[in-house]
Amino acid sequence: GNSVTQMEGPVTLSEEAFLTINCTYTATGYPSLFWYVQYPGEGLQLLLKATKADDKGSNKGFEATYRKETTSFHLEKGSVQVSDSAVYFCALPLGGSWGKLQFGAGTQVVVTP
Amino acid sequence: DVKVTQSSRYLVKRTGEKVFLECVQDMDHENMFWYRQDPGLGLRLIYFSYDVKMKEKGDIPEGYSVSREKKERFSLILESASTNQTSMYLCASSRGGVETQYFGPGTRLLVL
Repeated sequence: GNSVTQMEGPVTLSEEAFLTINCTYTATGYPSLFWYVQYPGEGLQLLLKATKADDKGSNKGFEATYRKETTSFHLEKGSVQVSDSAVYFCALPLGGSWGKLQFGAGTQVVVTP
Repeated sequence: DVKVTQSSRYLVKRTGEKVFLECVQDMDHENMFWYRQDPGLGLRLIYFSYDVKMKEKGDIPEGYSVSREKKERFSLILESASTNQTSMYLCASSRGGVETQYFGPGTRLLVL
C-alpha cells in the first residue's frame, strides 16, 4: 500500500533561516500529496497540497513540489518565523475508497528568536 | 470554511468509566474519522465512517466503539476507560471522494 516517510525531528532553527523538511513516498500511480501543520495544543490544519506530478503547492510562504522522479514532496520555507514552530506532517491517500490518508510520523520544528 | 468541533478540549476520567467523545462537522461531509495521537507514534486511525450508521475499523479499534446516527456527528466511545487510553484524540471529516481531511482541535484525555 501507499506509504510516506519524513525526516525525524526536532529541527531547531533560528528566525529567518531556511527550512527544508524531507518527505518521500511509495505509491501506486500518482496520488495527491499533502502537508499538514499542527500548532501547539491544536488539531491539524491543511497547509498545502499537490494533486499531480510537477505541481507546486504553496501557502503561508511554504512550498512543496511533487517530484515523481525522486518520489518526493519536500516542504520548504525561505525565512522562518517563531510562529512557524509546529509539527509538520506529510500525507498521501492510502488507496482504495473512503478517503483515508496515511500520515508520516511528523517533524517538530522549533524556531528560536 | 469547514468547521469541525469536539465536545471537550480536556477531559479527566477514572479507570473503568464509560467515556464519550463527540465530534460535529458543519459541512455535510460523508466521511468522518477518529485518530489518536501519541508522542513518537504519530497519528493512528481508530475508526472511520463513510455514511450514517456505516463504520469500519481502523488500525487500533480495540477498546473503542463508535456511533454515527446523524451525518454531522461522530462519537467515539470508550466502554471502560483504561490508563493506556490516555492520549490526544483527533476527529476529522472529508467529503466523499475527496481526500482532504479537516480536523477538529482535539481532546486531550487523561485516564487516572
